[in-house]
Amino acid sequence: DAKTTQPPSMDCAEGRAANLPCNHSTISGNEYVYWYRQIHSQGPQYIIHGLKNNETNEMASLIITEDRKSSTLILPHATLRDTAVYYCIVLDPFSGNTPLVFGKGTRLSVIA
Amino acid sequence: GAVVSQHPSWVICKSGTSVKIECRSLDFQATTMFWYRQFPKQSLMLMATSNEGSKATYEQGVEKDKFLINHASLTLSTLTVTSAHPEDSSFYICSARGGWRTGELFFGEGSRLTVL
Repeated sequence: DAKTTQPPSMDCAEGRAANLPCNHSTISGNEYVYWYRQIHSQGPQYIIHGLKNNETNEMASLIITEDRKSSTLILPHATLRDTAVYYCIVLDPFSGNTPLVFGKGTRLSVIA
Repeated sequence: GAVVSQHPSWVICKSGTSVKIECRSLDFQATTMFWYRQFPKQSLMLMATSNEGSKATYEQGVEKDKFLINHASLTLSTLTVTSAHPEDSSFYICSARGGWRTGELFFGEGSRLTVL
């Protein structure tokens, strides 16, 4: 079972920031927070991951709370092409052959 | 960056035939690959873990004799759907860990199987 909970859907106006929340209250000390997204009929695409510090890359920013029980993915200027299902997953990448376990994710609709 | 490639991207077959899907890591070696299945409007479901040079580990409820997995090299894993039936129609996705981003799992483009 997935260890994260996310809202099933969100809307965002084009050009505005999209803030996608994720709760992972049972995260363990060695587990990272990963975000992937899946555009219709494609394989999941890696976005960003972090352990406890906030992270930023060319796609998004990841804000992790101090207690690490929740996080927020921020797409600073959403475009129509960002419409996708976004998955928040916790994983210890160094614990051997551990796969990503997907929950239901958040379906983000970017509206013109 | 690291890339995982799947082939074919889509396939249509008759009921009772077998279909092979290939998953390749293009610029890194993957000792472990994962196979997922996704039905319409559902999330990805892990089917099995493919280990190079050894038998695959299947998730509960996945028939190992129906979904044959072979991981003969560090860059190639194959999934064969044997005696396919319409209920096997799905989107099959592979992933592999490795490459230059620590802990990152890379996914293939997916293979859509339609069994008539």
